[in-house]
Amino acid sequence: GEDVEQSLFLSVREGDSSVINCTYTDSSSTYLYWYKQEPGAGLQLLTYIFSNMDMKQDQRLTVLLNKKDKHLSLRIADTQTGDSAIYFCAERLSYNQGGKLIFGQGTELSVKP
Amino acid sequence: DSGVTQTPKHLITATGQRVTLRCSPRSGDLSVYWYQQSLDQGLQFLIQYYNGEERAKGNILERFSAQQFPDLHSELNLSSLELGDSALYFCASSLGRDQPQHFGDGTRLSIL
Repeated sequence: GEDVEQSLFLSVREGDSSVINCTYTDSSSTYLYWYKQEPGAGLQLLTYIFSNMDMKQDQRLTVLLNKKDKHLSLRIADTQTGDSAIYFCAERLSYNQGGKLIFGQGTELSVKP
Repeated sequence: DSGVTQTPKHLITATGQRVTLRCSPRSGDLSVYWYQQSLDQGLQFLIQYYNGEERAKGNILERFSAQQFPDLHSELNLSSLELGDSALYFCASSLGRDQPQHFGDGTRLSIL
């Protein structure tokens, strides 16, 4: 079946690194995404990784993908208070399955000064 | 700013009513997706259109319908509204099937 799991909460201190983890079940996923949602706002696309890649780095963000274990992580270096938000992991199903996104429950990141 | 525009931002109505949510995709994007975000169900895919044609359906109730017009904007119609339909409804768009989906700010629907 299609399922994406994330831990619900993460609390870090300003300046530390944050690591948000995600597991997914569908091995036919084509892309995996990270979205950020601030209170009262929409979903902001942070970064994404193609399923045949292991790692992608984009400024303070590093995405690691372990396809064998179906595990995805998002590392935020030098976490700032402005990074406090809910982070959603999403897998994109294959075109034959509609290409829809399956989202995790979201991880609420709290950054303490 | 994602470039996806949703109107209205907020909608308050009563049970049994019908509402229409509107979405303008990013310039050039042919695919439009609708999602529902609620506290108990999280983010759920409802339906997708590509260049005016329905391409995929998710957990969309029969009371809900959508369409994409020739100018590529899309509307989601919700009828016979129930209290449980209260949620944040997102529209997303992408250039094609393998391109990332960019989300609008959502329409918050409150049923009283």
